[in-house]
Amino acid sequence: SQTIHQWPATLVQPVGSPLSLECTVEGTSNPNLYWYRQAAGRGLQLLFYSVGIGQISSEVPQNLSASRPQDRQFILSSKKLLLSDSGFYLCASSSSTGGNSPLHFGNGTRLTVT
Amino acid sequence: AQSVTQLGSHVSVSEGALVLLRCNYSSSVPPYLFWYVQYPNQGLQLLLKYTTGATLVKGINGFEAEFKKSETSFHLTKPSAHMSDAAEYFCAVSDTGRRALTFGSGTRLQVQP
Repeated sequence: SQTIHQWPATLVQPVGSPLSLECTVEGTSNPNLYWYRQAAGRGLQLLFYSVGIGQISSEVPQNLSASRPQDRQFILSSKKLLLSDSGFYLCASSSSTGGNSPLHFGNGTRLTVT
Repeated sequence: AQSVTQLGSHVSVSEGALVLLRCNYSSSVPPYLFWYVQYPNQGLQLLLKYTTGATLVKGINGFEAEFKKSETSFHLTKPSAHMSDAAEYFCAVSDTGRRALTFGSGTRLQVQP
């Protein structure tokens, strides 16, 4: 089965500082990869998804970006964080392009921008 | 576009009572539907999924859900709540266009002793 590793678990960053969150996947090859954000009291918002190395689709305009340098590595970045970037960031993967494939989630990174 | 509505952001039940968490979906194509559970400061764990076939789906931890096309619903139930069921529950529908899942806003389940 798939295992998703995310780090760090928690992060406190000042406004205007850069961000790099990393996610790696074990137990599958050529997965679809996702970054979701969960704000307090709200559902999960899809930020980015990737169906292959170097292929990134962005869902919402924002100051975040994503990259996929390797098959099972997905990175979320920002050059300058905003207060509104605070939230719980979840990396997920699925093993097929079919709609019936469930997502497997990492344990998330709680980001607080101060 | 697909969407999911979860009725009730908070549900409180007594230990041993029936759990019913409501989910309605909107989809222009036959949907694939999922329920996930999230414990504090953790990722989401799959409870169950409906793809095709039997409309009553059994999942982990004694949960089940029934797909009702006529009502566009996929409600989650458990006959007898346990203290360990206290968590947040998310309903999701597949979004084949984006190859992702669209999630509802979640329902926080409290279980009272």
